[in-house]
Amino acid sequence: EPEVTQTPSHQVTQMGQEVILRCVPISNHLYFYWYRQILGQKVEFLVSFYNNEISEKSEIFDDQFSVERPDGSNFTLKIRSTKLEDSAMYFCASSELGTSSPLHFGNGTRLTVT
Amino acid sequence: QKEVEQDPGPLSVPEGAIVSLNCTYSNSAFQYFMWYRQYSRKGPELLMYTYSSGNKEDGRFTAQVDKSSKYISLFIRDSQPSDSATYLCAMSVGSGTGNQFYFGTGTSLTVIP
Repeated sequence: EPEVTQTPSHQVTQMGQEVILRCVPISNHLYFYWYRQILGQKVEFLVSFYNNEISEKSEIFDDQFSVERPDGSNFTLKIRSTKLEDSAMYFCASSELGTSSPLHFGNGTRLTVT
Repeated sequence: QKEVEQDPGPLSVPEGAIVSLNCTYSNSAFQYFMWYRQYSRKGPELLMYTYSSGNKEDGRFTAQVDKSSKYISLFIRDSQPSDSATYLCAMSVGSGTGNQFYFGTGTSLTVIP
């Protein structure tokens, strides 16, 4: 069964550094998302992306964050100048038809900021 | 009032029990309903996907949607220790391209051998 793949599975970085989290969505899906989950807390929406542009973003997704689809398969989340509170699991997700079809998640990247 | 309410548990049951997990919601426009299973430090895994009201069965899992009561349920029959996980409900209106997936906070389930 097709799946969303994310790399790396774990990223450790120092405060102030930039990180790029990578995702390969399911190939026929057109809508892409990033979610965040702080340990023990609920899944939080960050951003949605369709037709090569951001369609919606949350209050969490400030100027520190950016997304890009650099080619036909990858979808990336960049976090500039990381802070301690950015430590979390970051999940990429995709859906075929947006909110009229189910959301499929990757296994996440665990980001640890020291 | 939150869009989606889900009892966080924790819920602990003996192996073989029938488990009932529930969510309530406030937005009557929701049409698409999902249940996810999430193991510790893993991504949410789609278990069930239903449209509008009614029941859907897949193996030991049954999803029910009651739109009149704004209530959805996931039943797990013959529960196994491997079912121990957090279960998330999610729902959407089904129009637009943005963030219209609304998640519950998740219910933590432990199945005791």
